[in-house]
Amino acid sequence: ETGVTQSPTHLIKTRGQQVTLRCSSQSGHNTVSWYQQALGQGPQFIFQYYREEENGRGNFPPRFSGLQFPNYSSELNVNALELDDSALYLCASSLDSNEQFFGPGTRLTVL
Amino acid sequence: AQSVTQPDIHITVSEGASLELRCNYSYGATPYLFWYVQSPGQGLQLLLKYFSGDTLVQGIKGFEAEFKRSQSSFNLRKPSVHWSDAAEYFCAVGRATSGTYKYIFGTGTRLKVLA
Repeated sequence: ETGVTQSPTHLIKTRGQQVTLRCSSQSGHNTVSWYQQALGQGPQFIFQYYREEENGRGNFPPRFSGLQFPNYSSELNVNALELDDSALYLCASSLDSNEQFFGPGTRLTVL
Repeated sequence: AQSVTQPDIHITVSEGASLELRCNYSYGATPYLFWYVQSPGQGLQLLLKYFSGDTLVQGIKGFEAEFKRSQSSFNLRKPSVHWSDAAEYFCAVGRATSGTYKYIFGTGTRLKVLA
């Protein structure tokens, strides 16, 4: 059974650019949640996708958007990057509203 | 407001000493409870979880946690710390809000182990 994978592992962007992060769900899971972990903080819930529809959102601006595909993989898109967007972005998959399994994360640095 | 509190930002213990990391939550009902460990530059590793039943939960790497409803606490313990336990530890609550089941994390406790 393949666990949750994320790509890329690291990336560096400059302010104002756009970025797309990718997540492949664990086999059999239909729900993906995204979290942002700033340096020295705990992860914060960004949003969740269930069966290709957004199913809840945390306190993040609209420039954070996402997609979920028919195979339940997911993308997180961030437009107009700001310095404070530098963080570890974690993806977690689950079957419905059950235990979430986290990927290794993508570390984004915005210069 | 719903929250998870880890009162200790940093803890330093000597190798071989016992460890207790505190976690308190503020929710009306009993949520699902988790402890994760994170090494520098790494993702989250699940140590243990509590859903229901026995309030003393055993996890990996010799860790255990006890759920105390009366204190809204879920403290993590280890009887003898190893140098490799140095890392950051996060307590989390799984909670459904407006139809969305999400995790709410504490701010973490950084553990330093002295040789």
